[in-house]
Amino acid sequence: LAKITQPISMDSYEGQEVNITCSHNNIATNDYITWYQQFPSQGPRFIIQGYKTKVTNEVASLFIPADRKSSTLSLPRVSLSDTAVYYCLVGDENDYKLSFGAGTTVTVRA
Amino acid sequence: EPEVTQTPSHQVTQMGQEVILRCVPISNHLYFYWYRQILGQKVEFLVSFYNNEISEKSEIFDDQFSVERPDGSNFTLKIRSTKLEDSAMYFCASSDTTGGEQYFGPGTRLTVT
Repeated sequence: LAKITQPISMDSYEGQEVNITCSHNNIATNDYITWYQQFPSQGPRFIIQGYKTKVTNEVASLFIPADRKSSTLSLPRVSLSDTAVYYCLVGDENDYKLSFGAGTTVTVRA
Repeated sequence: EPEVTQTPSHQVTQMGQEVILRCVPISNHLYFYWYRQILGQKVEFLVSFYNNEISEKSEIFDDQFSVERPDGSNFTLKIRSTKLEDSAMYFCASSDTTGGEQYFGPGTRLTVT
């Protein structure tokens, strides 16, 4: 199981770009990197998933370097409603379960 | 957009009582899950269910827990004899494949007194 390290918390201001870097040094060849978001008292919500290079969707971008030992979730132009906990997860396509860590609490201020 | 629903939103029960938490997964999904989150702690996997049987379970999912898909739409988690430490938010999730995106419900807050 890949060991995940991500910052405990990050502060930002509205309109800024937020980049959260996740370290997963012992990621396996078949593992994907997935990010979830969780608001207080709600279930986690899928944001983005990638294997290598860059993935972009309407919500975020995910940058994965060639060695895949880390990844960076980029949230463009955050708003107050982006205040949440963001989880980096690593697992392969045959995994049934999601293994959540403590996540990164992102606080966006006006 | 299809969504996972859960009932009740909040359940209060006395220690030793049985509770059943209900979930309606997204209709064309094949994989179903239960997770729990104790207040202030991380989300923990309990069990996954596929093809009418448990595919994986965690150490938390002991003999006091059971899951069932009684019909084509519901997915339930039963706790036979609740303990104080079962107090948590319980999330149901579903997916159409393994390893990919799981869709979570809004959760049931279980309070055991």
